[in-house]
Amino acid sequence: KAGVTQTPRYLIKTRGQQVTLSCSPISGHRSVSWYQQTPGQGLQFLFEYFSETQRNKGNFPGRFSGRQFSNSRSEMNVSTLELGDSALYLCASNLLTGGLTDTQYFGPGTRLTVL
Amino acid sequence: SQQGEEDPQALSIQEGENATMNCSYKTSINNLQWYRQNSGRGLVHLILIRSNEREKHSGRLRVTLDTSKKSSSLLITASRAADTASYFCATPQNNQGGKLIFGQGTELSVKP
Repeated sequence: KAGVTQTPRYLIKTRGQQVTLSCSPISGHRSVSWYQQTPGQGLQFLFEYFSETQRNKGNFPGRFSGRQFSNSRSEMNVSTLELGDSALYLCASNLLTGGLTDTQYFGPGTRLTVL
Repeated sequence: SQQGEEDPQALSIQEGENATMNCSYKTSINNLQWYRQNSGRGLVHLILIRSNEREKHSGRLRVTLDTSKKSSSLLITASRAADTASYFCATPQNNQGGKLIFGQGTELSVKP
């Protein structure tokens, strides 16, 4: 079974631009979560989508948004990029059968650099 | 906000030695999970321990959980150079499995 895939793997943008990152979950997984990882703040939860609906949201400004499609693929968008948005963005998929013991499977991440 | 605090922040050992990492958390949990991350790449799930379990083994990994102290430890026995990575503990917040709260991580270096 193919793992979680994220595209692109690396991205360089300039301040003020916007960016869209894509995540394809493991086949059959309906939950997709996004995390931001920086050296200063560590791993922080951005949001989670399940069946095309946002179920959870972290403490990030409205510039960060996401969506999920009917095939469970998800995208996240960051508008008006700031230098502090430079980070590794990780996507994770989860079978989410309803049990809290469901494991999250992470993709390789997208390394975003904002200049 | 971070749920877990991990210590040590960095650990350097020789191959063959055991490595122990600790994690403390703040709120009640349903389960606690440990993940490994190799140098800026994705996270790999290692092991999950439920709140009603005290110890769990998986290969060279041993995890303990003390809910009275709100702490967990990860022991890697007979470490190898390939174990060099960052290790994170994580707990699902608000009893929702899709939202994990991570600790700051322990950076483990295993020297051959």
